[in-house]
Amino acid sequence: GNSVTQMEGPVTLSEEAFLTINCTYTATGYPSLFWYVQYPGEGLQLLLKATKADDKGSNKGFEATYRKETTSFHLEKGSVQVSDSAVYFCALILTGGGNKLTFGTGTQLKVEL
Amino acid sequence: DGGITQSPKYLFRKEGQNVTLSCEQNLNHDAMYWYRQDPGQGLRLIYYSQIVNDFQKGDIAEGYSVSREKKESFPLTVTSAQKNPTAFYLCASRAADGRNTIYFGEGSWLTVV
Repeated sequence: GNSVTQMEGPVTLSEEAFLTINCTYTATGYPSLFWYVQYPGEGLQLLLKATKADDKGSNKGFEATYRKETTSFHLEKGSVQVSDSAVYFCALILTGGGNKLTFGTGTQLKVEL
Repeated sequence: DGGITQSPKYLFRKEGQNVTLSCEQNLNHDAMYWYRQDPGQGLRLIYYSQIVNDFQKGDIAEGYSVSREKKESFPLTVTSAQKNPTAFYLCASRAADGRNTIYFGEGSWLTVV
């Protein structure tokens, strides 16, 4: 079956530090890949996505590259801010079969001054 | 503004009672989804619907029911058969435009007292 594996959290960084949150996936076909962000008490917001191998999704300084050879979609940001503190979810979707999102367990990011 | 509206935001239920969570979208999306999120955990799929008058069980459908009488609406009923209903419930929708992007509402907190 399909699955997404994310690094365990929480990840605690100082402001302006470099961020990497690892995400790897297993899928029976060629999925589209997503990163969602969840702020406390809120729903999920789409952060970025990539639909095919070697695509790079980017938004608000965050980037992730679809690596088919390593089945990975790691999230990166060059300089985090306190306002980036949230839970980040990696997810995949395969066309067909209801187009259901398969989520990782989420990684909590805490950014301190 | 286009979006997904969930209501109520907070709901308290006595044991043995059914409760219905509302989800309305004005994005003209065909597919809609219900996910459950437990504190500190990822998301699990309850039910999904790809078209009006049709829906399928997700991974944890027991104790829940849904209907899809209108394209815009996908209410979720949490029945008394659901043993641990206290959770955060997220509704989502997806356009049938091939981009496979799923958008989420703000969520509803259900607490059983």
